[in-house]
Amino acid sequence: EAQLVESGGGLVQPGGSLRLSCEVSGITFENYWMSWVRQAPGKGLEWVANIREDGREINYVDSVRGRFTVSRDNTKNSLYLQMNSLRADDTAMYYCATTFGPGYWGQGTLVSVSS
Amino acid sequence: DVVLTQSPLALPVTLGQPASISCRSSQSLVYSDGYIYLSWFQQRPGQSPRRLIYQISNRDSGVPDRFSGSGSGTEFTLKISRVEAEDVGVYYCMQQTRWPYTFGQGTKLEIK
Repeated sequence: EAQLVESGGGLVQPGGSLRLSCEVSGITFENYWMSWVRQAPGKGLEWVANIREDGREINYVDSVRGRFTVSRDNTKNSLYLQMNSLRADDTAMYYCATTFGPGYWGQGTLVSVSS
Repeated sequence: DVVLTQSPLALPVTLGQPASISCRSSQSLVYSDGYIYLSWFQQRPGQSPRRLIYQISNRDSGVPDRFSGSGSGTEFTLKISRVEAEDVGVYYCMQQTRWPYTFGQGTKLEIK
């Protein structure tokens, strides 16, 4: 069974940086597009970014483009989200998920941006 | 961006009764391959989202058959034939036809 485990969340000041990780097991990671999806407290879902199996195609939502960078290491079955210039409105639970095919999601990691 | 509008936003239902959620898209969701990439997710309190339905009407593995999806063009529906207590949560439609992928606002299902 697929397992997606996010880590790296925490409290950071506005303008700061964080790097999220998602370790995937139970599936052949290199065969899947992967995504990051976020959910602000008490709010709906927002698809943040996705990355192709080989990492050579990446898409970002406008609100994070230029500040966030998604990457992957297929040798480590891991997905990453480098978040720079963080703002208060980036505060959210961040989920990693498979983009297409079976809908596997992690349990999320919480990012709080506050002074 | 594609805007998905769900209704109702709150759905009180009696146990054992049916429930229906509508999702309307601001644009056609037909992809270049002819398929419509419209999914439905369930998010129970305190849990991560779980996909129930993909490509309008295909149930994910392990999803009870009381859940069904239908629709075409820009109008889609999720139906629960007989609501059970475990169905409480927020339901979202989501499109993956056009980037950025977008979700509806969510419909909160509660038991009367």
